[in-house]
Formats: sequence, structure tokens, C-alpha cells
Amino acid sequence: DTAVSQTPKYLVTQMGNDKSIKCEQNLGHDTMYWYKQDSKKFLKIMFSYNNKELIINETVPNRFSPKSPDKAHLNLHINSLELGDSAVYFCASSLGPRESPLHFGNGTRLTVT
Amino acid sequence: GQSLEQPSEVTAVEGAIVQINCTYQTSGFYGLSWYQQHDGGAPTFLSYNALDGLEETGRFSSFLSRSDSYGYLLLQELQMKDSASYFCAPQTGANNLFFGTGTRLTVIP
Repeated sequence: DTAVSQTPKYLVTQMGNDKSIKCEQNLGHDTMYWYKQDSKKFLKIMFSYNNKELIINETVPNRFSPKSPDKAHLNLHINSLELGDSAVYFCASSLGPRESPLHFGNGTRLTVT
Repeated sequence: GQSLEQPSEVTAVEGAIVQINCTYQTSGFYGLSWYQQHDGGAPTFLSYNALDGLEETGRFSSFLSRSDSYGYLLLQELQMKDSASYFCAPQTGANNLFFGTGTRLTVIP
């Protein structure tokens, strides 16, 4: 009955590899997000989609590409991974783009070696 | 630009009351949210203030003063399980929440 689920929970990979993180929500929400939390706990928005349409695209390297096949799914693909990409990535959803609250997934801890 | 100021760490005794302050500077403002995050866990929603004043939810209350760009989270009857990080998050646009680094609350016996 998980509301926002993301996989994998842990991802350890080498520099230069390409990896994907998947996210699904079963709440019927229209809006989904990707957030990045660094080692200092700074939580920063990366992308937001509303009904499969990109509405927020913060200053993120273009090695990061989100894809929303439908409004219940938002995946994140990362090319040519770098050491600085190591972080916890959270997927989240909300009813709409100006609706509170955000419901977060449990996070994907990415470690790049 | 955008900025947020919260204390980085707060320690309080079990059963006590603690207030976590937040001042923010944003371009555009819709409201102020508070989220709790336990170590290794996901942020979870606590409260949202769109208007000035106090919102109470059980042991937690949140206050907003839009004119002062200031808010606080008040936690009463502290319990050990309240040890976590607390994020104030001003909503600046199309649900663009600006989170920052939060306040780490440690509750001691």
C-alpha cells in the first residue's frame, strides 16, 4: 500500500556509468517531483512534472533527464555519473502544482565511486 | 535570490517545549510548510500556513508572519521520537518548495 515508491533503495556504481531511478505513486496525484539531498541534508528540487508535462527544471546538469510516461510515474536517468552526484534522491508527489502537502518516497541513496 | 535561516541544531529535554524559528527571503511567496525527517527516512509533512497566525495540530503548532517573513514550529510535550530534522519550506511558486538544510532536534531524557 506504499503511496510513493521508488527503486532501487540503494545504488552503488562507478564514475562514468549511466543509471536510472524509478518512481511510482498510487495516490492519483497530478504532480510529481525529484529532489536531491546532499550529505549536509540540503534538500533541493530538481524537476517537477504536472500531468506528464515538465513545469520545474532547476539548474541541473543535462546529464540528468527525467521522464514521465504517465502521471503516476516519474523516472530519473543519470548519464556519465560523477562523484558529486552521490546523494539521496527523493521522489515526491502532490495533488496539484500548488497543492500541499508533498508525499515523499523513501529515497534512493546513490553512491558513486 | 532565495535564502532560509533556521538554527542548525537544537537540544531539548523530554517533556519540554521547543520552538524552531525560520526566517526566509524568497521571490514570490504562497505559504510556509514544515516537514519532519528522521535519520534515514523520508521528509513527512507536518503543517502548512498560508495566512498569518497559529495553526495547531496536536502537540505541534506552526506560526507565520508574512510581513516579517518569519515563522516558527512549536513542539510541546517533547518525546524521544521527536528527535529528527525539521525543515521549514517556503512555497515560492508552482509548489516549488525551498527546503534548505533544516534544524536537527535532539531530545534528551
